[in-house]
Amino acid sequence: VLTQTPGTLSLSPGERASLSCRASQTVNNFLAWYQQRPGQAPRLLIYGASIRAPGIPDRFSGSGSATDFTLTISRLEPEDSAIYYCQQYGSSPPRCSFGQGTKLEIK
Amino acid sequence: EVQLVESGGELVQPGGSLTLSCTTSGFNFSVYSMTWVRQAPGKGLEWLSYISGGSGTKYHAASVRGRFTVSRDNSKNSLYLQMNSLRDDDTAVYYCARVLSSHSNAMNLYHWGQGTLVTVSS
Repeated sequence: VLTQTPGTLSLSPGERASLSCRASQTVNNFLAWYQQRPGQAPRLLIYGASIRAPGIPDRFSGSGSATDFTLTISRLEPEDSAIYYCQQYGSSPPRCSFGQGTKLEIK
Repeated sequence: EVQLVESGGELVQPGGSLTLSCTTSGFNFSVYSMTWVRQAPGKGLEWLSYISGGSGTKYHAASVRGRFTVSRDNSKNSLYLQMNSLRDDDTAVYYCARVLSSHSNAMNLYHWGQGTLVTVSS
């Protein structure tokens, strides 16, 4: 089970956001982050806990290991308003699950 | 350009069946694992199923195992989700998604369709 905190985060443009994802047991860095803007499909931001997906700006960074992970978004922009999901995935058997999401509001 | 387009979503009665399709283009479909993910109205993401490029490996989430079946036709660059015994709580937008790398079955879902809405209601 993945637990994301906080539920909602309200920040101003230019500030830095830190979103947390905690797993109930170790996920061995098989942890990804997605951004979902209203009315859109999710977008892969980070995989392998800290690897940026192709085309993702370096304002987005992931860190952590084992059970505790953080998505950091620096120099917030209005377009960063979205719900962010963490995801843990495995290969044997192939499966994944998502956290419940953190809503980021840019005031 | 990679494109994934879902279709087949509609209003269906509880207990009914439905097959969703995901038509793809812009990449070598046969070498990529694919998945289905759904999102109930106002809710989060729920992974449903996984299928490897050659269909040798299929896996479904416990919540749909025995009711939903994933398949693919590599000659048609298409992915399918057969859904049986539909319930009210299956109402959701259903997305197909492609993994990032053809060399790994890790479900890093890089390409997504726009989703198709399935409504289960009498």
